Amino acid sequence: EAQVTQNPRYLITVTGKKLTVTCSQNMNHEYMSWYRQDPGLGLRQIYYSMNVEVTDKGDVPEGYKVSRKEKRNFPLILESPSPNQTSLYFCASSPGTLGQPQHFGDGTRLSIL
Amino acid sequence: RKEVEQDPGPFNVPEGATVAFNCTYSNSASQSFFWYRQDCRKEPKLLMSVYSSGNEDGRFTAQLNRASQYISLLIRDSKLSDSATYLCVRSNAGNMLTFGGGTRLMVKP
Repeated sequence: EAQVTQNPRYLITVTGKKLTVTCSQNMNHEYMSWYRQDPGLGLRQIYYSMNVEVTDKGDVPEGYKVSRKEKRNFPLILESPSPNQTSLYFCASSPGTLGQPQHFGDGTRLSIL
Repeated sequence: RKEVEQDPGPFNVPEGATVAFNCTYSNSASQSFFWYRQDCRKEPKLLMSVYSSGNEDGRFTAQLNRASQYISLLIRDSKLSDSATYLCVRSNAGNMLTFGGGTRLMVKP
């Protein structure tokens, strides 16, 4: 089954404790992206990747890192999480061809205390 | 001004009603447009792509007006299961998506 898989689905942690949210897709998609969704602000793009070893900042990259060492994986790293990074996070992928829609993972709900 | 704007609603309609949502965008370089559906705090799911010629998928019709920079979604014969938030999305040449804030639809029996 074609899918985008995020882990963990839920995480409660404390300020400053490094964490990684993994994202994996099995559709051989070139394009992958991370979003956060907050009430009243909608979905905002954090980082995206057009292909292996190619990553770019989205609208809200501060406080986040990503890597794209393999085509299927695109982890989101919070080196020193802060409470303002408490949010619902979605990973998405698409073939990369212009006009192709993105497929989303189930989401990861992060709470930073 | 936001790049993609939607009326947040909620739109409360009875079953069987026809409802229309509009969405305006400000970046004329926008390449592609989509409507996504999102159920309460779940992942967005593609509802349909939007083409300049207009396109229809069952009870759903989408239109794009590039001259006026707006997109519309029409839902005919609303079902209870149509209750959700509808997200207007534009994509630029680099495949970056910009989402509208979403329009909430509630279909009542």
